[in-house]
Amino acid sequence: QVQLQESGPGLVKPSQTLSLTCTVSGGSISSGSYYWSWIRQPAGKGLEWIGRIYTSGSTNYNPSLKSRVTISVDTSKNQFSLKLSSVTAADTAVYYCARCPSNPAGDRQAFDIWGQGTMVTVSS
Amino acid sequence: DIQMTQSPSSLSASVGDRVTITCQASQDISNYLNWYQQKPGKAPKLLIYDASNLETGVPSRFSGSGSGTDFTFTISSLQPEDIATYYCQQYDNLPQTFGGGTKVEIK
Repeated sequence: QVQLQESGPGLVKPSQTLSLTCTVSGGSISSGSYYWSWIRQPAGKGLEWIGRIYTSGSTNYNPSLKSRVTISVDTSKNQFSLKLSSVTAADTAVYYCARCPSNPAGDRQAFDIWGQGTMVTVSS
Repeated sequence: DIQMTQSPSSLSASVGDRVTITCQASQDISNYLNWYQQKPGKAPKLLIYDASNLETGVPSRFSGSGSGTDFTFTISSLQPEDIATYYCQQYDNLPQTFGGGTKVEIK
């Protein structure tokens, strides 16, 4: 079965760029029709959708973060990545990658597979 | 952005009790509403999709209903393993947004 695993530095300095990778195992990232998303959760708080990349490579971002976010895919490594620039302490959170099926009818779009999450702290 | 308002933010119930959580959208989202369960230190888990459809492998004591702006999530008989925080999520419009969560505890 498909599994997701986040990886990347757990500590990032303010004003620098946060970079995370999500490795997909048990299936090909380019097979089927899926959105591959990043979602974050500050400690003790709720979930915030950051953005997604489609199997074709097209992207959508949360407008609140759009100026700082880039999501890309590397099909040869079966990975997709998140870059968040100019980070501040407010970007400290657990970051999750997640899969969402894309259906022609537009329904059944739910995050059905999640990574375990990775904690990123922004601090000098 | 579509705002998702969940209530209550927390509740305490006894084993075997019926538990109900509501989620209200700031505009009509049809049935584009999902429910997740998150246990401490774990990733969220999909329970219900499209407002009322049970994800494969999820116990039948979980159910969802509603459409438009008002949605309900129900645990028909609360079990100790249901202790978690529950979130609704809309995908009618981007950005996809989540409710603030409901923490369920055992009395």
